[in-house]
Amino acid sequence: QVQLQESGPGLVKPSETLTLTCSVTGVSIRSSYWTWIRQAPGKGMEWVGYIYHTGTSNLNPSLKSRAAISMDTSKNQLSLILRSVTSADTAIYHCVRALNNGDIDYWGQGTLVTVSS
Amino acid sequence: QSVLTQPPSASGTPGQRVTISCSGSTSNIGSNPVNWHQQLPGTAPKVLIQSNNQRPSGVPDRFSASKSGTSASLAISGLQSDDEADYHCSAWDDSLNAWVFGGGTKLTVL
Repeated sequence: QVQLQESGPGLVKPSETLTLTCSVTGVSIRSSYWTWIRQAPGKGMEWVGYIYHTGTSNLNPSLKSRAAISMDTSKNQLSLILRSVTSADTAIYHCVRALNNGDIDYWGQGTLVTVSS
Repeated sequence: QSVLTQPPSASGTPGQRVTISCSGSTSNIGSNPVNWHQQLPGTAPKVLIQSNNQRPSGVPDRFSASKSGTSASLAISGLQSDDEADYHCSAWDDSLNAWVFGGGTKLTVL
């Protein structure tokens, strides 16, 4: 059974750095696309970025200067780092798997991140 | 502003058939598979439809979807109160090199 479990600090102060982890079980992260998607309160889904199993990554241009995605194949985990956070980064962050044809097939439960002093 | 366009709300009575539309462009819906996701209140999204019209195992056949050109639609027949949720469409966008989403449609069962 494939499971994606996000974890993070919950509360982050403005201007600080946010680090989120996605632990994957039931499938190796050495295949497919691994994507971060966030949903601000009352808003739609926003693609944050992806990392391919080869290590190639791409980020939403609106976040590119502040974000980075990495993978640790030994732990079967992904990470998202977001620097200089503001209240606009308050959202539920989901870890998502996507296939080579673009289909999304698994969502994590999501982790709520609140940016507040 | 979402790249894909969905109506913000839809409604129907139990037993009815409702449809939800999703409009995009040649770089996303026009070229790539459309997915539909169901998000029940307070829960994570769940994939309802893959590859334009394929239901993952466990999704009832009351849910169906289609695609034509740069638009897609989700149909729910035999509407049930449990279907009350937000429905999101998504697709890969070749120009943006990113996954794009609709703004979501809130379905109310009257």
